Amino acid sequence: DTGVSQDPRHKITKRGQNVTFRCDPISEHNRLYWYRQTLGQGPEFLTYFQNEAQLEKSRLLSDRFSAERPKGSFSTLEIQRTEQGDSAMYLCASSQYTGTSGYEQYFGPGTRLTVT
Amino acid sequence: AQTVTQSQPEMSVQEAETVTLSCTYDTSESNYYLFWYKQPPSRQMILVIRQEAYKQQNATENRFSVNFQKAAKSFSLKISDSQLGDTAMYFCAFMMKTSYDKVIFGPGTSLSVIP
Repeated sequence: DTGVSQDPRHKITKRGQNVTFRCDPISEHNRLYWYRQTLGQGPEFLTYFQNEAQLEKSRLLSDRFSAERPKGSFSTLEIQRTEQGDSAMYLCASSQYTGTSGYEQYFGPGTRLTVT
Repeated sequence: AQTVTQSQPEMSVQEAETVTLSCTYDTSESNYYLFWYKQPPSRQMILVIRQEAYKQQNATENRFSVNFQKAAKSFSLKISDSQLGDTAMYFCAFMMKTSYDKVIFGPGTSLSVIP
């Protein structure tokens, strides 16, 4: 049973460049979430999908951010025209409803973005 | 809006001793989950323990137990017989049961277990 995987694990980019991250959820999970975690803080919710549908977006997700989950499996998070304030760990999580634990979220290892 | 507060940014405990991490939250909802997540250095976040708001009995998972005080909106984590592998950031978190959408995290407590 493989867990949530994210690629790349680390990304260094120059300000103004575009970056794209990928998340592969646990295979049977129909929900997929993106969070952002800055140093010394707890993760903050960005957006989530149920299958292909993007059901909620945080106001943290500016127009420069876009997320997709085209076939209800893996998801991508793209940041256009990166800014230094985008430097953070981007976490992906997935879940599937169970009667005992509801939609317990399982987290991936994260992609650490550094914008120089 | 829901908020989660952890008032202890850093804590330390001697190996084999017991430590309690504090958490308070604010919500007008009555149906929700509370969680403690552990994030070891440079490793991924894992769920330590879960509590459903409608259950009065405090959750226990091996050396980890919670003290859930619903009226006071308090949810503390007790770690017994602390081990070196318990060194990590610990996040208290909240999720509404009605929507099962986002998890709202507190700012975290950095726990160091000292040999």
